[in-house]
Amino acid sequence: DADVTQTPRNRITKTGKRIMLECSQTKGHDRMYWYRQDPGLGLRLIYYSFDVKDINKGEISDGYSVSRQAQAKFSLSLESAIPNQTALYFCATSDLVAGTDTQYFGPGTRLTVL
Amino acid sequence: AQKITQTQPGMFVQEKEAVTLDCTYDTSDPSYGLFWYKQPSSGEMIFLIYQGSYDQQNATEGRYSLNFQKARKSANLVISASQLGDSAMYFCAMREPAQTGANNLFFGTGTRLTVIP
Repeated sequence: DADVTQTPRNRITKTGKRIMLECSQTKGHDRMYWYRQDPGLGLRLIYYSFDVKDINKGEISDGYSVSRQAQAKFSLSLESAIPNQTALYFCATSDLVAGTDTQYFGPGTRLTVL
Repeated sequence: AQKITQTQPGMFVQEKEAVTLDCTYDTSDPSYGLFWYKQPSSGEMIFLIYQGSYDQQNATEGRYSLNFQKARKSANLVISASQLGDSAMYFCAMREPAQTGANNLFFGTGTRLTVIP
């Protein structure tokens, strides 16, 4: 079983709809992240959380919100989706205790907003 | 200014040959980490290799090695004995401590590697 899972894997929605992307991990990591990837660009950080009570904005947080329901669960919401939020979304986890704080990614969610 | 620059949008390599993917970075912080990730056509991001700024030796992981030249601020990925399964996008990334204490990860735009049989 994958250590970091994302649901759904693909989603097509319409402008103005509320969307939630979910991420779960079994790695036991405290740190979790949400990124988006657009064609021709690298990944950009949306939000990150270092523990259940810690939520921080990343580079491109406008139009997004997150919830850290438990150590293993971190969800991303688009309150009112717009077409330029069409992208590939990744969840990632890391563990500073391991030393390198390497981030491990989920399989991604491909979101299309019409 | 770009924190991570990958100047090769696409690269080709013959199967079983070695290939170097370039990455330069920009930071004034003495403590940072450099990462390479592989993204196959299926879309997932796979961690390949890590180099810390204080590491004296170049990192190696199987057929992957990182040519770390600190003075030049470069962290090139070398893949030896290329295989068809190495065809993918490769991303260089840097982690540096932000003012908030967070270890943000900055990605380059990637290099698409194609291995030719």
